[in-house]
Amino acid sequence: GIQVEQSPPDLILQEGANSTLRCNFSDSVNNLQWFHQNPWGQLINLFYIPSGTKQNGRLSATTVATERYSLLYISSSQTTDSGVYFCAVGEGGSEKLVFGKGTKLTVNP
Amino acid sequence: GAVVSQHPSWVICKSGTSVKIECRSLDFQATTMFWYRQFPKQSLMLMATSNEGSKATYEQGVEKDKFLINHASLTLSTLTVTSAHPEDSSFYICSARAPGGYWAQYFGPGTRLLVL
Repeated sequence: GIQVEQSPPDLILQEGANSTLRCNFSDSVNNLQWFHQNPWGQLINLFYIPSGTKQNGRLSATTVATERYSLLYISSSQTTDSGVYFCAVGEGGSEKLVFGKGTKLTVNP
Repeated sequence: GAVVSQHPSWVICKSGTSVKIECRSLDFQATTMFWYRQFPKQSLMLMATSNEGSKATYEQGVEKDKFLINHASLTLSTLTVTSAHPEDSSFYICSARAPGGYWAQYFGPGTRLLVL
């Protein structure tokens, strides 16, 4: 099955800093989603981005499907951005999502 | 739009009892729902795919007699953990496939199960 690798596994920032999270995947995909899991466990949809670039406020994401990677950019980070960020991909032709192991982000005041 | 709810949000039960978790799509119809399990500090693992009106498809290693899934309507799927044991304690999360033919999934808030 498809493999999903996220990096870095842990990231510690000072408030106001920018960061880039990476997701590599091993095969072509029909679905790629970025999530933020808050301290209560809720998965919050950030982006549905199987290809291309999207922006939403301080967050943006880019997926280069031909090179099998996606990037999540967080600018001017805030303490509320802390949590685990997951990348999940759907292999071509499959409804199933395979999750990466996540990046744990800590933003210090 | 595309809101998914779960009930209960947490449950504590005694070993040997059965626990039912409900997953509802509140503002859209979901022909396909999914059930995931997450252990502390780990990622989400797909347990099964639930299609309305048909039997669920379980992932390899998931006991279908232990984790009963029913998807009786286009807005409701249930997961029943039968004869629960402490090793079944976990965070269970459901999702529903987005309407309109998109592949995206929308996730519920999760249910924390603690079996004593």
